[in-house]
Amino acid sequence: QSVLTQPPSVSGAPGQRVTISCTGSSSNIGADYDVHWYQQLPGTAPKLLIYGNINRPSGVPDRFSGSKSGTSASLAITGLQAEDAADYYCQSYDSSLSGSKVFGTGTKVTVL
Amino acid sequence: EVQLVESGGGLVQPGGSLRLSCAASGFTLSSYWMTWVRQAPGKGLEWVANINQDGSEKHYVDSVKGRFTISRDNAKNSLHLQMNSLRAEDTAVYYCARDRLNIVFRSWFDPWGQGTLVTVSS
Repeated sequence: QSVLTQPPSVSGAPGQRVTISCTGSSSNIGADYDVHWYQQLPGTAPKLLIYGNINRPSGVPDRFSGSKSGTSASLAITGLQAEDAADYYCQSYDSSLSGSKVFGTGTKVTVL
Repeated sequence: EVQLVESGGGLVQPGGSLRLSCAASGFTLSSYWMTWVRQAPGKGLEWVANINQDGSEKHYVDSVKGRFTISRDNAKNSLHLQMNSLRAEDTAVYYCARDRLNIVFRSWFDPWGQGTLVTVSS
């Protein structure tokens, strides 16, 4: 079971701003482990979107931004576009689980 | 181009075995931790196992411990997942991914392969 909790879905009109939360605990995000985000378009493999809490890989639009505070992290998408419709997952490390990387429960973004 | 390509998936009966492979190209496999992640149909991502650069350190999610074995052949640029005693709940798309940092607890996965489907059913 996932130890990082995300809202099942968020939606917004084109051009709007949406945020996705990723809530953890003192053994993962709260322990200062980095949070990373992945985008999974329908029928494709996940793709890295944000690494090290706030960093965008080359090629990722600056409409995507990440933040982290306490036991939570957030992904923001500003200027929402139709091609942003996808599933989004956060990922971190959990010290209570041997060698474990952990994923969030996933959030489906719908562009209205 | 950095690329990962999985193979070996298919239909297997409960209790059976399957060996997945992941062919790496465009980078030196021996320099990176490698990981398997799975995704059951319609479900989220689940970290399965990882292995360090020389294969001396391995970690598994509790649900596969004692049944799955991760291994690598750096000379052949390949990663493997031997899956034994398969159960219906192991049905998933299995992705291999490169750990981007050697500091495992800070690392992320990039790139990912396209995935290979494993179906456990009688």
